[in-house]
Amino acid sequence: AQKITQTQPGMFVQEKEAVTLDCTYDTSDPSYGLFWYKQPSSGEMIFLIYQGSYDQQNATEGRYSLNFQKARKSANLVISASQLGDSAMYFCAMREATNFGNEKLTFGTGTRLTIIP
Amino acid sequence: DAGVTQSPTHLIKTRGQQVTLRCSPKSGHDTVSWYQQALGQGPQFIFQYYEEEERQRGNFPDRFSGHQFPNYSSELNVNALLLGDSALYLCASSLRKPSYEQYFGPGTRLTVT
Repeated sequence: AQKITQTQPGMFVQEKEAVTLDCTYDTSDPSYGLFWYKQPSSGEMIFLIYQGSYDQQNATEGRYSLNFQKARKSANLVISASQLGDSAMYFCAMREATNFGNEKLTFGTGTRLTIIP
Repeated sequence: DAGVTQSPTHLIKTRGQQVTLRCSPKSGHDTVSWYQQALGQGPQFIFQYYEEEERQRGNFPDRFSGHQFPNYSSELNVNALLLGDSALYLCASSLRKPSYEQYFGPGTRLTVT
């Protein structure tokens, strides 16, 4: 079974600083994908970034980048120049193929990020 | 282009009652997945619907059931509610192929008293 581990329950970061949120994963599938979602207090899960297991380069989306280290089974999210609006819960998730051929997501327990003015 | 919508936003029920939650997928999406997110936890996969059939199920009892309609919208039903069913219920929609992008709705917060 697939497993996602996020070891940082909470983090406090000064505004404009960079922040790294940790995520390690475990899977026996050679083909997998890793996501990061942001969940503000409103509850909606907002897609941030995706990394496929066969992607040669680390994914980047604006201020978000994913530090993918396949041998170490880690997929850390890096947010550059943090902003007050970045304060939220952040979840790492892995896509898992279902019997049907479609996919479901397995989530970690999340990290609560608080940006300090 | 409307995203994923869910109704109601909040719901309060009593133990033993039954509840129905609704989800309309993003325009063009044909697959709907439901997740339960307990307080302080990550979402847990409940089940997934495609072509009006349940295609995959997570580790949830039969009290949790669902339905998908021809227009791809979906319902989640929970019978004999327990206090432990209190959670945020998230609906996600995607395309059968390619399938990795899942778009989430704002969720329905269910409180069981």
